[in-house]
Amino acid sequence: AIQLTQSPSSLSASVGDRVTVTCRASQGINSALAWYQQKPGKAPKLLISDASNLQSGVPSRFSGSGSVTEFTLTISSLQPEDFATYFCQQSNTFPLTFGGGTTVAMK
Amino acid sequence: QVQLVQSGAEVKKPGSSVKVSCKASGGTFSRYPITWVRQAPGQGLEWMGGIIPVFGTTNYAQKFQGRVTITADESTSTAYIEVTSLTSEDTAVYYCGRGGGVVVAAAVDYWGEGTLVSVSS
Repeated sequence: AIQLTQSPSSLSASVGDRVTVTCRASQGINSALAWYQQKPGKAPKLLISDASNLQSGVPSRFSGSGSVTEFTLTISSLQPEDFATYFCQQSNTFPLTFGGGTTVAMK
Repeated sequence: QVQLVQSGAEVKKPGSSVKVSCKASGGTFSRYPITWVRQAPGQGLEWMGGIIPVFGTTNYAQKFQGRVTITADESTSTAYIEVTSLTSEDTAVYYCGRGGGVVVAAAVDYWGEGTLVSVSS
């Protein structure tokens, strides 16, 4: 199975900060990567598909980039509602796999 | 607006089985894939498998092959996941989700609220 390694596993940031989360795949997955946001006790929410395709209704401060094995989720100016855990998921090869998650906490 | 409503929490004994349902409304059920993902307490997300209802085609994570069955009933727009031979390691919240594309691997853009399955003697 393809392993996705997210870094960092957690970070502390302040409102207004630029935040970057990295997802590294153990083998090439083209651009078949999605990013999800999850808040405690809630289902995940799709933010970005196909590495960089922002979903309808998702604020433009979120962006995704990368291809093959290296991917990035960027929040350009962190807002209070963005404190959450973020997961990447690859859909290039079965079984689909998720990264371990990155928790963005308030500094 | 697409909505997925899951069945309620379950408490099961080790060795037993559980079947969780996921009823869809507000969209076309048959053509879009339904994915099942679980999350153990305090842990990350784990993909279990998916189905495209109109074709009945399924894909499973090898880890669950033979122990998990995903089905769909087009007449009621409901998908199911059944897990057999439960152990304490199956204690988790089970989520269903509808993919935004036409393949099982499509990213999930609509999610159910989750169903907690607790396995304890």
